[in-house]
Amino acid sequence: DAGVTQSPTHLIKTRGQHVTLRCSPISGHKSVSWYQQVLGQGPQFIFQYYEKEERGRGNFPDRFSARQFPNYSSELNVNALLLGDSALYLCASSLFPGVDEQYFGPGTRLTVT
Amino acid sequence: GQQVMQIPQYQHVQEGEDFTTYCNSSTTLSNIQWYKQRPGGHPVFLIQLVKSGEVKKQKRLTFQFGEAKKNSSLHITATQTTDVGTYFCAVCNTGTASKLTFGTGTRLQVTL
Repeated sequence: DAGVTQSPTHLIKTRGQHVTLRCSPISGHKSVSWYQQVLGQGPQFIFQYYEKEERGRGNFPDRFSARQFPNYSSELNVNALLLGDSALYLCASSLFPGVDEQYFGPGTRLTVT
Repeated sequence: GQQVMQIPQYQHVQEGEDFTTYCNSSTTLSNIQWYKQRPGGHPVFLIQLVKSGEVKKQKRLTFQFGEAKKNSSLHITATQTTDVGTYFCAVCNTGTASKLTFGTGTRLQVTL
């Protein structure tokens, strides 16, 4: 069975640009979460979506937005990129948004120059 | 917001030695999860602990949840080079969303 997939693998953007990251959850998983992991730190929660609705939002500015599609895949959008947005962006899926183990994808490495 | 501290930040052991990482919270936790992240990789779920005083084993790994549910530990017996990576504890905030708050992580280096 395929695990969580993310695209692209790597991305280089310039300050002020916009970026869209994509995630496909494990088949049958309806919940998708996004995390930002800066080098040397633990992942930080950005969003969780379940059945196309936002179920949770972390401490991130409004430049960050996301959505979930009817097939449960998800997009994370970041506007007006800053140098500090450079990080590994991880997508995680689970069956339900409750207390459940999270299956992480390989991540998208975003570099902002 | 909730903070979860882990100690040590880094540990270097020789293969065959034991290793322990500790996770501490100032508040009572409903549950705790442990993840392993290999260098260049992504977090991989290891286990979830829910009950006070719970102890779970996975081969050479032993996980413990404190009696007061404010701390947890991961102990690896007789480390191997395949154990290299960063070990994170993570607290799952219950409610309508399963937001994971990750600890600061402990990076384990194992040499022959």
